[in-house]
Amino acid sequence: DVKVTQSSRYLVKRTGEKVFLECVQDMDHENMFWYRQDPGLGLRLIYFSYDVKMKEKGDIPEGYSVSREKKERFSLILESASTNQTSMYLCASSSTPWREAAYEQYFGPGTRLTVT
Amino acid sequence: GNSVTQMEGPVTLSEEAFLTINCTYTATGYPSLFWYVQYPGEGLQLLLKATKADDKGSNKGFEATYRKETTSFHLEKGSVQVSDSAVYFCALRDPYGNKLVFGAGTILRVKS
Repeated sequence: DVKVTQSSRYLVKRTGEKVFLECVQDMDHENMFWYRQDPGLGLRLIYFSYDVKMKEKGDIPEGYSVSREKKERFSLILESASTNQTSMYLCASSSTPWREAAYEQYFGPGTRLTVT
Repeated sequence: GNSVTQMEGPVTLSEEAFLTINCTYTATGYPSLFWYVQYPGEGLQLLLKATKADDKGSNKGFEATYRKETTSFHLEKGSVQVSDSAVYFCALRDPYGNKLVFGAGTILRVKS
């Protein structure tokens, strides 16, 4: 079974702090994703990575950065946390060949971040 | 651009009732379509999928048919259980990229 783990389930940080959210997958997947989940808005893609050291902006990258130094690990960084970044953050991975129609992402349990 | 619209929730049903959650999409080309489910305190997991028109995805008693003419992928189940209480997300993957586009999610509550 694919396993995607996230470093924390709950996190409370102060405004202005630098925040690191870590995600690790154990199935040698090429693609990894960071989403935020907010009520009524569904999941919105922040960043994704299709290979080590490669990244692409998603729909809402402002205020975030990412790092992928190893294939199994994908980090989301909030350089200076703000209250509007209070949210649920979900990491996902996939190993589907490019353009394959049947495409599945495997999700971690999420990190609920509160910025005060 | 690509988008997914789901019926607003929450949907509250009694056990053994029939479930329909509506999903329509806008996309270029012929996207693959998915339903994901999120149980309380967990991440999302794939429930079912369909990759071309008229395909029917099914799993755990849930079904959805890819209707190209109405750009819809409605989720149905004949008899819901309390354990089906969760958030359900409709999603599409466009054929030219490797990203998923999700709907807003629909909360389902099943009462015993």
